[in-house]
Amino acid sequence: DGGITQSPKYLFRKEGQNVTLSCEQNLNHDAMYWYRQDPGQGLRLIYYSQIVNDFQKGDIAEGYSVSREKKESFPLTVTSAQKNPTAFYLCASRTGGESAFFGQGTRLTVV
Amino acid sequence: LAKTTQPISMDSYEGQEVNITCSHNNIATNDYITWYQQFPSQGPRFIIQGYKTKVTNEVASLFIPADRKSSTLSLPRVSLSDTAVYYCLVGESRRGSQGNLIFGKGTKLSVKP
Repeated sequence: DGGITQSPKYLFRKEGQNVTLSCEQNLNHDAMYWYRQDPGQGLRLIYYSQIVNDFQKGDIAEGYSVSREKKESFPLTVTSAQKNPTAFYLCASRTGGESAFFGQGTRLTVV
Repeated sequence: LAKTTQPISMDSYEGQEVNITCSHNNIATNDYITWYQQFPSQGPRFIIQGYKTKVTNEVASLFIPADRKSSTLSLPRVSLSDTAVYYCLVGESRRGSQGNLIFGKGTKLSVKP
């Protein structure tokens, strides 16, 4: 089945650690996106990538980094510079201006 | 990208028709209007998209007036399972735009028995 997969579903991070969230899609989509969602809030854009080896910052990129070495993959690293990383992270992909497909999300908690 | 404004929350009862209106005064000529639905702890999913007049699919209708400065998502005969957050997006063009997708805060719909 075609789709977009995020892993892990739950992730715990110690303060000062970097962690990487995985996002893989087999939909042959060109564009991929990372969002952060805090409780009761909407989605805020962290980074997006329109093609391989290219990505742009969204509204809240500070403390995060991404790479796009393959069309299928768009991992997000939450660095120690992100002071409040506890949140629900969503990855999405789309192509040609069509509607976006979302993964099931990763819930990150700082312990 | 055009900014959107939606009510923060709405309440309804099972079996009623629900209309959620979104304002987008700065919509551009090539912009489409797209609505997504999100359940707790899940990613949003596409509901409907339109450019003008009326669009209908198996789950909803979308009404867009001639000036396109607003749009209304209509959910017929809602059930408890329609309780969710609904987002209105503008600027997701079918013409090949793959730029950023900006979500607002959405409308939290609560359906009561």
